Order: sequence, then C-alpha cells, then structure tokens
Amino acid sequence: AQSVTQLGSHVSVSEGALVLLRCNYSSSVPPYLFWYVQYPNQGLQLLLKYTSAATLVKGINGFEAEFKKSETSFHLTKPSAHMSDAAEYFCAVSGSGGYQKVTFGTGTKLQVIP
Amino acid sequence: EPEVTQTPSHQVTQMGQEVILRCVPISNHLYFYWYRQILGQKVEFLVSFYNNEISEKSEIFDDQFSVERPDGSNFTLKIRSTKLEDSAMYFCASSESVIAGNEKLFFGSGTQLSVL
Repeated sequence: AQSVTQLGSHVSVSEGALVLLRCNYSSSVPPYLFWYVQYPNQGLQLLLKYTSAATLVKGINGFEAEFKKSETSFHLTKPSAHMSDAAEYFCAVSGSGGYQKVTFGTGTKLQVIP
Repeated sequence: EPEVTQTPSHQVTQMGQEVILRCVPISNHLYFYWYRQILGQKVEFLVSFYNNEISEKSEIFDDQFSVERPDGSNFTLKIRSTKLEDSAMYFCASSESVIAGNEKLFFGSGTQLSVL
C-alpha cells in the first residue's frame, strides 16, 4: 500500500520568499507521485507529477519538485512566492503497476504574507 | 480547459435522509471517481467507476453508498440514509486514461454536505 505524509498543515511565507512544502512517501512498489493544488472554492488541480523519468519535475506556475529515493521525499518548491500562490497543496501517490488509485496526504495550507 | 461540474455546491440534510450528489464529468472521459474530505482530514478515495460498473471501492463505501451513470453525461453518488459522520466535502473526478502515471484526474469544485 502507498501513503504520503505532509509535514506542516500550515506554512506561512513572505511574498518573494522561497516556498518549501514537504512530502514523504511510503510505497512497496516504485511510486508515481503528484502535487495537487486547491484554490479557495475550487476543485483540485494537478500541479506536477513524477513518473520515473527525470527526478526533478517542473510544473505549472513556477513550481517544481524533486524525487529523492534515498530520502523517500518529494518536496515542492518555488523560488519566489506570489500572493496568488495562497492555496492548499496536496501531495499524492499511486503505484506504478497498472491502474492504481491515487492516495492523498492531509494537505498543507500555504499563506503568503505581503 | 474543460472542467468537471458538481451540483449542488452545498447540501444540508437531516440525519437519515437520502441525498444524491451530482457530477458531470468531462465529456470524453471514461473513468469516474468520488473522493471525500472530512474537515481537517485527508482527501479519501471512495469509489472508481468504469464501463458502467464499480472498478474499485474503499472500505468507506459501504452499502449506504451507491453510484450510477444514469445517462451519457451525469455521474451520481447516492447516500441512502445519511449519518452525521457523512458530513464532508465530496469531490467528483474523471480521467481519460488509467495507464499508470497518466491517470491525470480532473476534479470538480466539490459538494459540501452537512448532515444535521
């Protein structure tokens, strides 16, 4: 079974500062990993995904994430936070063998302070 | 970009009542899902649906729950007799493919269900 753990339910950063949202995974098979974002009053939107190609994955809106097998991590980063980045971010995992449902973490709310 | 539409956005019901949550998936998608998120908790998988039948369900999805695709466009989640603990945000999702790693899920904006 696969699972993800997101460290920190709330993260606050200043506008222009580095964004770092942490995610560690547990999987008995090579995982596929995802980051989703949920803006207020909207559905979940895929930011980026790792599917065993490049370990550094670039997504939309300037976000990227690095898959580190040795640390079982898939942290999300952005060099410079914008006010519009304020949202809830979910890390998710699925197995790589055929159809596998996506399992989500508990989410991290990002606050951007002007 | 095409989107998944869910109605209503908010639903309030009395304990023991039946509710039907409605979803219109993206038109060329073949795989449909329901997830839910209890306040402050993680997004949980409920059920997946393909080719007019359930392909997988979680232990949450007991006999009180059912899903249906009554016509070519709607996908519904029915809770037969609601309990207080069914209060949650329910998300519908659809995908075009389930090839591992390519199962990009498109989510709706959710229905907030409150059971009183």
